[in-house]
Amino acid sequence: RKEVEQDPGPFNVPEGATVAFNCTYSNSASQSFFWYRQDCRKEPKLLMSVYSSGNEDGRFTAQLNRASQYISLLIRDSKLSDSATYLCVVNSRSGAGSYQLTFGKGTKLSVIP
Amino acid sequence: GAGVSQSPRYKVAKRGQDVALRCDPISGHVSLFWYQQALGQGPEFLTYFQNEAQLDKSGLPSDRFFAERPEGSVSTLKIQRTQQEDSAVYLCASSSRPGIDYGYTFGSGTRLTVV
Repeated sequence: RKEVEQDPGPFNVPEGATVAFNCTYSNSASQSFFWYRQDCRKEPKLLMSVYSSGNEDGRFTAQLNRASQYISLLIRDSKLSDSATYLCVVNSRSGAGSYQLTFGKGTKLSVIP
Repeated sequence: GAGVSQSPRYKVAKRGQDVALRCDPISGHVSLFWYQQALGQGPEFLTYFQNEAQLDKSGLPSDRFFAERPEGSVSTLKIQRTQQEDSAVYLCASSSRPGIDYGYTFGSGTRLTVV
């Protein structure tokens, strides 16, 4: 079982739609959580951190459920510019002072005019 | 510099050739990661440096892969005797702090194609 699992999609949604992505992780010792966005042939870029209390950044809302080891991202009022691959990322301590970001495979979103 | 810089941007290597990929992190950044991203996959961890110390190299796929960061700034990922399965984008990421609560800034990557 992969450490971080996401629905690969693709999700094809019309402009203005609300879309939700889900992610589960297997390492219960994981300590911090993120969503990254990756455009085609570009590097991943940090979209937002994810907290248990839930956090919002404009049209984006992220939520973490530690008990279920589940992370979500909600995008409201989708824009064409939201089309990208969304990567669920978990940061864990891996011993000897080291840290490791573990990525899901990503969920591809296409927003259609 | 303003961001994480990687070079070369593209590299084509003949099978069996050695390659060296360079990462220039944001000035003063303590933590540095190397990741490998195959087509259609998420990035996979290769190795982690805190300053010049390589604290974790558990993700390096074989002993043909070697990374160094001798002065705690620029890092080089070397792949010896390249194989076709090494074809991927190699991403470098850095952070100003060695904690777990921070996202990391990625470079644009080096796209390696082994022919």
